[in-house]
Amino acid sequence: GNSVTQMEGPVTLSEEAFLTINCTYTATGYPSLFWYVQYPGEGLQLLLKATKADDKGSNKGFEATYRKETTSFHLEKGSVQVSDSAVYFCALLRRGSQGNLIFGKGTKLSVKP
Amino acid sequence: DTAVSQTPKYLVTQMGNDKSIKCEQNLGHDTMYWYKQDSKKFLKIMFSYNNKELIINETVPNRFSPKSPDKAHLNLHINSLELGDSAVYFCASSQFTGEETQYFGPGTRLLVL
Repeated sequence: GNSVTQMEGPVTLSEEAFLTINCTYTATGYPSLFWYVQYPGEGLQLLLKATKADDKGSNKGFEATYRKETTSFHLEKGSVQVSDSAVYFCALLRRGSQGNLIFGKGTKLSVKP
Repeated sequence: DTAVSQTPKYLVTQMGNDKSIKCEQNLGHDTMYWYKQDSKKFLKIMFSYNNKELIINETVPNRFSPKSPDKAHLNLHINSLELGDSAVYFCASSQFTGEETQYFGPGTRLLVL
């Protein structure tokens, strides 16, 4: 079946540290891949996406590259800020699935000053 | 100018009660969704509607009934509430069914006592 696996959290980093949150997927065909972010007490916001192999999504200093050979879409940021503290969700959308976004379990990030 | 709005934001109720959650989007999108986020932050789709027509109906107890009076609204009615229904319910919308970007509302936090 289709699924998304994310690294377990919580992840605690100091400000300006490098961030990697691993995400791998299992899917039939070639899905689109997403990172959503949920700040404390808020809903989900789309952070970035990639729709085909080797595409790189980027936004607010975050990046993720769609790697078909390793079925991965790892999220990276070179220098995190306290304001990046949130829960990050990796998700896939299989073509023809009629919009059924499949989410990973989320990774909580805490950034300390 | 909220894109996807939900009411209420918080809902505390007793077991056995019936309650409704409302969702409205002003993006002109054709498709709307309901997702459930459990206590472990795991997100899963429940329903989707395209232009008032049910598209996705995941394995959800039939105590949950979505209603779409028009394509800008998708309400969720829950009968005979149970403790296990406590969760955060998110509404989302997308331009078309299968459209890659889904926009989420702020969530409704339901607590069943």
